[in-house]
Amino acid sequence: AQSVTQPDIHITVSEGASLELRCNYSYGATPYLFWYVQSPGQGLQLLLKYFSGDTLVQGIKGFEAEFKRSQSSFNLRKPSVHWSDAAEYFCAHHSGGGADGLTFGKGTHLIIQP
Amino acid sequence: NAGVTQTPKFQVLKTGQSMTLQCAQDMNHNSMYWYRQDPGMGLRLIYYSASEGTTDKGEVPNGYNVSRLNKREFSLRLESAAPSQTSVYFCASSSKWQETQYFGPGTRLLVL
Repeated sequence: AQSVTQPDIHITVSEGASLELRCNYSYGATPYLFWYVQSPGQGLQLLLKYFSGDTLVQGIKGFEAEFKRSQSSFNLRKPSVHWSDAAEYFCAHHSGGGADGLTFGKGTHLIIQP
Repeated sequence: NAGVTQTPKFQVLKTGQSMTLQCAQDMNHNSMYWYRQDPGMGLRLIYYSASEGTTDKGEVPNGYNVSRLNKREFSLRLESAAPSQTSVYFCASSSKWQETQYFGPGTRLLVL
């Protein structure tokens, strides 16, 4: 069965510091990978996605992520966080095997310290 | 262009009551999805519809039914609500399964 692991439930970062959120997936074939962000009481907004090609992908709000097949990872990064980045972040993947939905990780709650 | 809309935003039910959650998209997408979000669990797929006229079970379909009314609308029905169905429900759509899914704002459901 497909699974997505986000090992960090909570992460606290100082404003202006760099950020890396970890994501590992378990599926043999190249997956379709996504990072979504959810602000409190809101729906999910796509930050970026990887389907194929360049393994470093750029997204909105200054985020980027790197796909590493050898590590089955798709970590999200941002060089300098802002207080408005405080939110819940979800990694998700689609196996590419058919018309079914996404498999989500359990999320990482990002706290920004002033 | 409203994207994906969901009604209602909030609902309180008593155990055994029924209700239908409505979802509509105006992006001419083929595929639509229903997820539930529980604390510490991420989002889990309940049902999906790859195209108009088709529906399939996801990871957690028990206790739910769906109807793909037309290309725009995809409803989720709870026939006899249980406290375990207390959750936040999200509808999503995509042009095809390989593409980005766009999410609605969610319906917060409390079953007493």
